[in-house]
Amino acid sequence: QKEVEQDPGPLSVPEGAIVSLNCTYSNSAFQYFMWYRQYSRKGPELLMYTYSSGNKEDGRFTAQVDKSSKYISLFIRDSQPSDSATYLCAMSLTFQGAQKLVFGQGTRLTINP
Amino acid sequence: GAGVSQSPSNKVTEKGKDVELRCDPISGHTALYWYRQSLGQGLEFLIYFQGNSAPDKSGLPSDRFSAERTGGSVSTLTIQRTQQEDSAVYLCASSLDPFTGELFFGEGSRLTVL
Repeated sequence: QKEVEQDPGPLSVPEGAIVSLNCTYSNSAFQYFMWYRQYSRKGPELLMYTYSSGNKEDGRFTAQVDKSSKYISLFIRDSQPSDSATYLCAMSLTFQGAQKLVFGQGTRLTINP
Repeated sequence: GAGVSQSPSNKVTEKGKDVELRCDPISGHTALYWYRQSLGQGLEFLIYFQGNSAPDKSGLPSDRFSAERTGGSVSTLTIQRTQQEDSAVYLCASSLDPFTGELFFGEGSRLTVL
């Protein structure tokens, strides 16, 4: 079993739809939870970051963490074609004095105009 | 530049040859990470450096892979006797604060082994 599981999709939705992306994890030692966005042929960039259970909102994006269920989600409201990208969840734990990140497989998202 | 710089951006090599991939992190970032991303796959952790030392080498796939970092800055990932299964995008990332997990990625080096 992988430490982090993420449905690879692909996921295709119409513009304006609400998008829900999800990951589950097995290691309860994970401390920080992140979502990275990766455009084609680019490196991933940090989108959302949280360390506690609950919701965190940033504009059209909401990150949700449920530590009891070992489940995290990213919601995108009023989705735009520019949101089309691969979304990777990532989780980290302290190892040898730094944060070791474990990434999900990534979900490829397409927003259709 | 202001971001993480990787070179070469693309590399095509023949099976059995050695390759070197270079990463220039953001100035002042103490932590440096190498990941590998195969087609349609997530990011596979390879190695990370804190300063010049690599406390975690657990992700290196085989002894054909090695990495070093000098002067707390530039890092080189070397793959000896390349195999076709080494074909992937090799991503480098750096971090100012090693405890938050916020990584800044380069655009990657795309390696194709024929």
